[in-house]
Amino acid sequence: GNSVTQMEGPVTLSEEAFLTINCTYTATGYPSLFWYVQYPGEGLQLLLKATKADDKGSNKGFEATYRKETTSFHLEKGSVQVSDSAVYFCALDPRDARQLTFGSGTQLTVLP
Amino acid sequence: SQTIHQWPATLVQPVGSPLSLECTVEGTSNPNLYWYRQAAGRGLQLLFYSVGIGQISSEVPQNLSASRPQDRQFILSSKKLLLSDSGFYLCAWSGSVALDEQYFGPGTRLTVT
Repeated sequence: GNSVTQMEGPVTLSEEAFLTINCTYTATGYPSLFWYVQYPGEGLQLLLKATKADDKGSNKGFEATYRKETTSFHLEKGSVQVSDSAVYFCALDPRDARQLTFGSGTQLTVLP
Repeated sequence: SQTIHQWPATLVQPVGSPLSLECTVEGTSNPNLYWYRQAAGRGLQLLFYSVGIGQISSEVPQNLSASRPQDRQFILSSKKLLLSDSGFYLCAWSGSVALDEQYFGPGTRLTVT
């Protein structure tokens, strides 16, 4: 079956630190990959996506590259801000069914 | 533009009481619709999805049910709530085209006491 594994949190960083949140997946075929962000008390928002191997998704300074050889889609940001504090979810769409499979989420807290 | 609404935003219900959560989408036609539950400190669990009026697929056996009486309306119900039903319920929609991302509503915080 399909699954997504994210690094466990919580992650606490100082402002302007470098961020990496690891995500690996298991899927048959060639899934699309997503990162969603959930700010406190809100629903999820799409942060970025990649639909094929070696694609790089980017948005708001965040980046993630679809690595088929390592089945990974790690989220990175060079300099985090306090406003980046949120829960981040990695997800995959297997394409053969209109359903997303989510990781367990990683809580990020950025301190000023 | 498309928008998705959920209500109520928060709800406190006693064990054994019924439940009805509503989700509506505006600005699109024939969306795929989804209900997720997010338990405290945990990830998202897909509960139901629908590709059209009256078409509901259940992912997890439980005491919840879903209905889609109109194209852009999705309702989550229960006849008798359990303590374990507490959580954050999220509705989402996507287009009918493959590879569309899902767009989430603001969620409903349900506490069963």
